[in-house]
Amino acid sequence: GQNIDQPTEMTATEGAIVQINCTYQTSGFNGLFWYQQHAGEAPTFLSYNVLDGLEEKGRFSSFLSRSKGYSYLLLKELQMKDSASYLCAVSITGGSYIPTFGRGTSLIVHP
Amino acid sequence: GAGVSQTPSNKVTEKGKYVELRCDPISGHTALYWYRQSLGQGPEFLIYFQGTGAADDSGLPNDRFFAVRPEGSVSTLKIQRTERGDSAVYLCASSLQMGNEQFFGPGTRLTVL
Repeated sequence: GQNIDQPTEMTATEGAIVQINCTYQTSGFNGLFWYQQHAGEAPTFLSYNVLDGLEEKGRFSSFLSRSKGYSYLLLKELQMKDSASYLCAVSITGGSYIPTFGRGTSLIVHP
Repeated sequence: GAGVSQTPSNKVTEKGKYVELRCDPISGHTALYWYRQSLGQGPEFLIYFQGTGAADDSGLPNDRFFAVRPEGSVSTLKIQRTERGDSAVYLCASSLQMGNEQFFGPGTRLTVL
């Protein structure tokens, strides 16, 4: 099976930078997804990392280290609308590549 | 274009009843997934379809749960003899192919009294 660990809750200030970490233990790792989910809404795709390194997409960046079983999502210039749950999900090879989700990190952005 | 749609948005039923939840994926998406999400948890995988066939149903909790996708598009998740523990948000997602980015629907909130 897979074990995915991320902090339950984080708080940050509008305009600041926040890093949400995700560690995982799995066999046959293929890639790692990050999704954003606002309360009462469906998850929306943010990023997918397969190779080591940092991928930047606007205010959001995602980093992966396969050897360390570690990823982080970096959010810059935080806005109030960034308050949401951030879900880390891992897909494995040899199967259906179906993502297994962590419990999510609830990010609260305050003025 | 239209995203993934799910009906109903809310369903309240009594313990022991049968329910059907419907998912309309994005047109052309061959892969369809069902998840269940409880409060404060991430989505929990239930079943995955590639075309008309259930390619992986390892996440279905027991034989009260069943899903179909007869024409490779719309899918229905069926729950027999519902129990209070089945209460959750049932999410459907589709992707162009297996392993691609998933697009989620708004979910069906099921409440079993």
